[in-house]
Amino acid sequence: AQKVTQAQTEISVVEKEDVTLDCVYETRDTTYYLFWYKQPPSGELVFLIRRNSFDEQNEISGRYSWNFQKSTSSFNFTITASQVVDSAVYFCALSEPEALGKETSGSRLTFGEGTQLTVNP
Amino acid sequence: GAGVSQSPSNKVTEKGKDVELRCDPISGHTALYWYRQSLGQGLEFLIYFQGNSAPDKSGLPSDRFSAERTGGSVSTLTIQRTQQEDSAVYLCASSITPYYEQYFGPGTRLTVT
Repeated sequence: AQKVTQAQTEISVVEKEDVTLDCVYETRDTTYYLFWYKQPPSGELVFLIRRNSFDEQNEISGRYSWNFQKSTSSFNFTITASQVVDSAVYFCALSEPEALGKETSGSRLTFGEGTQLTVNP
Repeated sequence: GAGVSQSPSNKVTEKGKDVELRCDPISGHTALYWYRQSLGQGLEFLIYFQGNSAPDKSGLPSDRFSAERTGGSVSTLTIQRTQQEDSAVYLCASSITPYYEQYFGPGTRLTVT
């Protein structure tokens, strides 16, 4: 079963539009961590945000905002007033400390398939 | 400060040869991870180090793959008898402690001909 699902393979918007990238996850753990990473054309994965399962407060960082809803197992990412420089592949990821024992696997990231965002001028 | 560095950035090798990929994590980061990224498989976890120990090697695809970490710092991923399906970008990441955000290096693009 897919643990992290990013149903949108590709999204194309025009500059200044708002865009939301969806992420749905699956876990049996009560303690877990969710992440978003950006992979621009240069290829290097850039950390954007980490959220633990006990903190459902939404977060805003400049034009970026994240909506975490445990009831729907979703951790969606919104870019407001998109810019061409936002064009990248965005990955959602899950870390489950309890899955195989905290001493062993807790840290590994399970990634979604990624969403290719293209912002056109 | 310096980020995660990896070498070489690109490696082309013939099928059947051994290759070594190197990762220098961020100074002071105790946790180190290897992942690989390929078109068909997405981003896959390979191995996790805490200090010099590897509590989780479950992502290594076969016994041709091995990794070590020395001095709680540099890590080497070795692939023996490379196969064409090993072609991918191999990514290294480090975090200050487990469960915190992982910072990724630029990757090594491995092409097996």
